[in-house]
Amino acid sequence: GDSVTQMEGPVTLSEEAFLTINCTYTATGYPSLFWYVQYPGEGLQLLLKATKADDKGSNKGFEATYRKETTSFHLEKGSVQVSDSAVYFCALWAPNDYKLSFGAGTTVTVRA
Amino acid sequence: KAGVTQTPRYLIKTRGQQVTLSCSPISGHRSVSWYQQTPGQGLQFLFEYFSETQRNKGNFPGRFSGRQFSNSRSEMNVSTLELGDSALYLCASSQDRMNTEAFFGQGTRLTVV
Repeated sequence: GDSVTQMEGPVTLSEEAFLTINCTYTATGYPSLFWYVQYPGEGLQLLLKATKADDKGSNKGFEATYRKETTSFHLEKGSVQVSDSAVYFCALWAPNDYKLSFGAGTTVTVRA
Repeated sequence: KAGVTQTPRYLIKTRGQQVTLSCSPISGHRSVSWYQQTPGQGLQFLFEYFSETQRNKGNFPGRFSGRQFSNSRSEMNVSTLELGDSALYLCASSQDRMNTEAFFGQGTRLTVV
């Protein structure tokens, strides 16, 4: 079945550091890929998405590129802020499956 | 435009009881999905509703059920609650089944004691 594997956390960074969270997937067909963010006590917010190979999703300084050859969708941000502290989830939506499959989540803490 | 609204935000129930959670999707959205989030299992798909019909179901026991009304609002029900049902239950809505962009509510935190 479809699955998502993302790097284990927690990740602790200093403000203005570079952030990378690795995400790889297994799916049949051509899934859409997403990064969601969850702040404490909240639901999930869509951070960015990519719907086909080589698409780059970007939002709020975060970027991720859909790499079909390596089945990856790594999240990057060049300079993190304390407000970026949250749990980040990589997810895929496979055609004809009509559901999101999520990775385990990566907790990111940014220190001032 | 109002987001996805889930009620109640918090619930405490006793083992063996049943519970009903509610989700109002974004206006115009017709597809509603439910997910369970726990520290041990992460985010797991429960079921999806579209046009008042359950279209897809995850690997959960029959104690978990749901329905969707003609205005697209959805409810999920858990009967004979077990301690392991304690979780954050998240509802997501999207315009239709083929629209991959899902918007989540804040969730209902269910605690079973």
